Amino acid sequence: DADVTQTPRNRITKTGKRIMLECSQTKGHDRMYWYRQDPGLGLRLIYYSFDVKDINKGEISDGYSVSRQAQAKFSLSLESAIPNQTALYFCATSGLAGALYNEQFFGPGTRLTVL
Amino acid sequence: SQQGEEDPQALSIQEGENATMNCSYKTSINNLQWYRQNSGRGLVHLILIRSNEREKHSGRLRVTLDTSKKSSSLLITASRAADTASYFCATFPNTGRRALTFGSGTRLQVQP
Repeated sequence: DADVTQTPRNRITKTGKRIMLECSQTKGHDRMYWYRQDPGLGLRLIYYSFDVKDINKGEISDGYSVSRQAQAKFSLSLESAIPNQTALYFCATSGLAGALYNEQFFGPGTRLTVL
Repeated sequence: SQQGEEDPQALSIQEGENATMNCSYKTSINNLQWYRQNSGRGLVHLILIRSNEREKHSGRLRVTLDTSKKSSSLLITASRAADTASYFCATFPNTGRRALTFGSGTRLQVQP
């Protein structure tokens, strides 16, 4: 079984709809991250969490929210989806700083299309 | 703008040749990492180099870091068709946001 899983893998939705992307991990890591990837722009950080009580905004948090339901689960929500949120979304995890030097492990991605 | 910028944006070589990708960044870093992404898939960590290291090897990969120039390079020796992928550098800062910042990547095509 994959260490970092994302659901759904593909989603097509309409403008204005609320969407939730889910991420689960079995690596026992404390830190979890959400990124989006647009063609030619690399990955940009949306939100990250160091534990269930520690949520931090990334570069592009506007229009998104997150929930860290448990150490192993980190969800990303688009409150009212818009077409320019069409992208590939990745969840990632990492262990404690100093132990693993912040190497990140990525899920397979969710391809989201907003019409 | 992105913290890390890769150069070139795209690279096409023949199997057996070496591939070199460069990364420049702007702020003081704790470490720099290289990741690989096969088309449409998640990124896979390749190698991490700390700010007090100058060179690191892993199999056919060689990474260098020049903190005075704020630059790094990734060399893949004796490339194979299976090395075809996008390669990203990512920097972890000494201060500020405690998270990686990724560059825009280099698309490598290795022709068989």
